[in-house]
Amino acid sequence: DAGITQSPRHKVTETGTPVTLRCHQTENHRYMYWYRQDPGHGLRLIHYSYGVKDTDKGEVSDGYSVSRSKTEDFLLTLESATSSQTSVYFCAATGSGANVLTFGAGSRLTVL
Amino acid sequence: GIQVEQSPPDLILQEGANSTLRCNFSDSVNNLQWFHQNPWGQLINLFYIPSGTKQNGRLSATTVATERYSLLYISSSQTTDSGVYFCAVKGTNAGKSTFGDGTTLTVKP
Repeated sequence: DAGITQSPRHKVTETGTPVTLRCHQTENHRYMYWYRQDPGHGLRLIHYSYGVKDTDKGEVSDGYSVSRSKTEDFLLTLESATSSQTSVYFCAATGSGANVLTFGAGSRLTVL
Repeated sequence: GIQVEQSPPDLILQEGANSTLRCNFSDSVNNLQWFHQNPWGQLINLFYIPSGTKQNGRLSATTVATERYSLLYISSSQTTDSGVYFCAVKGTNAGKSTFGDGTTLTVKP
């Protein structure tokens, strides 16, 4: 267990407002990921990080940005939330071997 | 990118029955994992199995990398096995994993 905590766990916001989701891990893992889960789409990668200040885009990165200023924290920001970003967001992490993904509990975001 | 297909999309079983879930992928992989998402949404890693066979209690998995598929076997199913099972693969030239759309398993008492 990578000891991954996500906050907030639930959030309701309005279209056009900024939103930041936080992922915190306690195992000093190098790689961290943000996924979104929608009905009929499984889990899709938004952004990932392979070290402090090192990030890259996933398959659904439009409208999202990330930051990783410390090993333990990976932030996902929606600069101006839209209804299409209503989803459940999962953070995950792996160690240097990048073998086994461990997930946080998820953050449910509703954009009205 | 690599394509991942899981079958069947939905499966309904009586408690005690056995089942086989399949994951097909379109390219060579160096990482394959099976996950269970329980009805509360929690994602749990079941197996890391880029090749070969592993067993953990009533669950076992086999990956035949040369033929680009993996199988997850559930024996003597229990109601607590209900949920969605995901396969995730990482291609040999990829830096991140791609998930299939999952198999939704319902085990009835």
